[in-house]
Amino acid sequence: GQQLNQSPQSMFIQEGEDVSMNCTSSSIFNTWLWYKQEPGEGPVLLIALYKAGELTSNGRLTAQFGITRKDSFLNISASIPSDVGIYFCAGSNNAGNMLTFGGGTRLMVKP
Amino acid sequence: GAVVSQHPSRVICKSGTSVKIECRSLDFQATTMFWYRQFPKKSLMLMATSNEGSKATYEQGVEKDKFLINHASLTLSTLTVTSAHPEDSSFYICSAPGQGSEKLFFGSGTQLSVL
Repeated sequence: GQQLNQSPQSMFIQEGEDVSMNCTSSSIFNTWLWYKQEPGEGPVLLIALYKAGELTSNGRLTAQFGITRKDSFLNISASIPSDVGIYFCAGSNNAGNMLTFGGGTRLMVKP
Repeated sequence: GAVVSQHPSRVICKSGTSVKIECRSLDFQATTMFWYRQFPKKSLMLMATSNEGSKATYEQGVEKDKFLINHASLTLSTLTVTSAHPEDSSFYICSAPGQGSEKLFFGSGTQLSVL
């Protein structure tokens, strides 16, 4: 089946630094989604991407849908302590809204 | 975005008892809901797809008789962990697709601890 490789697995950065994480897939997805999960909570949708090459921003977050439709990246600019959490990429092929999740990137921000 | 309400947020139970977790879509209807299980520091693992008015579809390796799913209305799906054992302790999360989109919206999760 499809698998998503997400990297890095974890990051420990200084407040104010920019962050970049990415996901690659062995096969094509029609939709890429990025979620953030805080401890003890469900994932919250950050950005949804629907077209190859699409670049979308949400505040300090920017995500792109790769041209090959097999990858996506998420950038966070000028990180702040509340950015701490686990970020998950997810791919969908519209098959009943089923998502395939990456392994997650655990982000830690040092004030 | 759409709001999915899940409760309880935390439950502690004795081994052998059953626990019911509810997932509600607020202000929108969901003919399909998804149930995930998440172990500490791991990604979400799809357990089953809940279908309104019909049987749930379980992923390979998930015991149907252990994890009972009922989707009795367009806004409510329930997951019952029957005869719970300590190995069933985990974080369970439900989700529902927003109407007309591929976006999934998640509940806040239920931390189950079986003693």
